[in-house]
Amino acid sequence: DGGITQSPKYLFRKEGQNVTLSCEQNLNHDAMYWYRQDPGQGLRLIYYSQIVNDFQKGDIAEGYSVSREKKESFPLTVTSAQKNPTAFYLCASSISPQGGEKLFFGSGTQLSVL
Amino acid sequence: SQQGEEDPQALSIQEGENATMNCSYKTSINNLQWYRQNSGRGLVHLILIRSNEREKHSGRLRVTLDTSKKSSSLLITASRAADTASYFCATDLNDKIIFGKGTRLHILP
Repeated sequence: DGGITQSPKYLFRKEGQNVTLSCEQNLNHDAMYWYRQDPGQGLRLIYYSQIVNDFQKGDIAEGYSVSREKKESFPLTVTSAQKNPTAFYLCASSISPQGGEKLFFGSGTQLSVL
Repeated sequence: SQQGEEDPQALSIQEGENATMNCSYKTSINNLQWYRQNSGRGLVHLILIRSNEREKHSGRLRVTLDTSKKSSSLLITASRAADTASYFCATDLNDKIIFGKGTRLHILP
């Protein structure tokens, strides 16, 4: 089955700790995205990547970092600099790097602070 | 950057009735998309309408786009309990896809 896999489903972070959220896709899509969703809110763009070894900041990139070493993988690291990390994190991909294409989403990772 | 804004924020209707939700946006777009999200899950793409289209249908869904008013509407006909979800519009902005805050739809039995 083709799709996007996010792991883990639930993640807990201690104060001062960096944590990494995994996102893998086997759709052969060029573009990948990370969004953050707070309760009852819409999605806010953290980072996006249109091609391997390249990525751009979204609207709320501070306190986060990403890498795109392989086409199928786009991990997100939530650093200790992100003071309010509790949220639902969604990874998505699209076939083309041109904006406005249909997005395919993973099932999300809920991150909480201990 | 908030590009799309859905209205209403929440909507409750009886099963079998039609549900209409609206989306307004600020800048010119190439296309507009609608997505559905069930609680605690990822988003699912429903329909994409391009800027040169005025109306599009998919099953019980009808989407309209008025570029002069910078607005779109999503109509779900003959609603079912399974339609209970949040619905988001998304627009393209400089190669990014920006989402609104969504409409929470609740179908009453």
